[in-house]
Amino acid sequence: NAGVTQTPKFQVLKTGQSMTLQCAQDMNHEYMSWYRQDPGMGLRLIHYSVGAGITDQGEVPNGYNVSRSTTEDFPLRLLSAAPSQTSVYFCASSLGHIQYFGAGTRLSVL
Amino acid sequence: GQQLNQSPQSMFIQEGEDVSMNCTSSSIFNTWLWYKQDPGEGPVLLIALYKAGELTSNGRLTAQFGITRKDSFLNISASIPSDVGIYFCAGYQTGANNLFFGTGTRLTVIP
Repeated sequence: NAGVTQTPKFQVLKTGQSMTLQCAQDMNHEYMSWYRQDPGMGLRLIHYSVGAGITDQGEVPNGYNVSRSTTEDFPLRLLSAAPSQTSVYFCASSLGHIQYFGAGTRLSVL
Repeated sequence: GQQLNQSPQSMFIQEGEDVSMNCTSSSIFNTWLWYKQDPGEGPVLLIALYKAGELTSNGRLTAQFGITRKDSFLNISASIPSDVGIYFCAGYQTGANNLFFGTGTRLTVIP
């Protein structure tokens, strides 16, 4: 049972570098989302998608891009990484109100 | 964004003790969820609540949807070491697709 798979698990970037965080789900869920988790702040929504070809901004979208070309994949792109983007990133997919989370990507931007 | 306030922020308890935590908001929610996050993992759903006043159990865990629809409570009875982790409340508002999360309660169980 793969569920929601995130890669990589850990990443270190230099300021200004770009990278893509991968997220894939095998549950055929239409809704997918990206959150960041910072100490004392819970999980905050970055971007979400209600289906292939449809994306929208969440609470903290600045500095991040997303696309949804297939139901299964929902990558998160950092075009020019900043130290403020050091965080743990979680991808989730949902059936109805129940969201299923990946194991996270821990990102450090130096 | 919507603010969900969880308390306490952290708890240190002895194994076997009961635990209570709560989540409050200034706005009405129509669904409340409780998640647990183990170290190095993503959150996992524990309990979902859909009606005001609803009381739902999952083993040693019991959660309640507050009557005002602005709060929810989670109780853990007879805590064990594997209860260690961060507990998050989360909620949906009417007509909204997006889930708002509380700030979390970090639980430590001392054997």
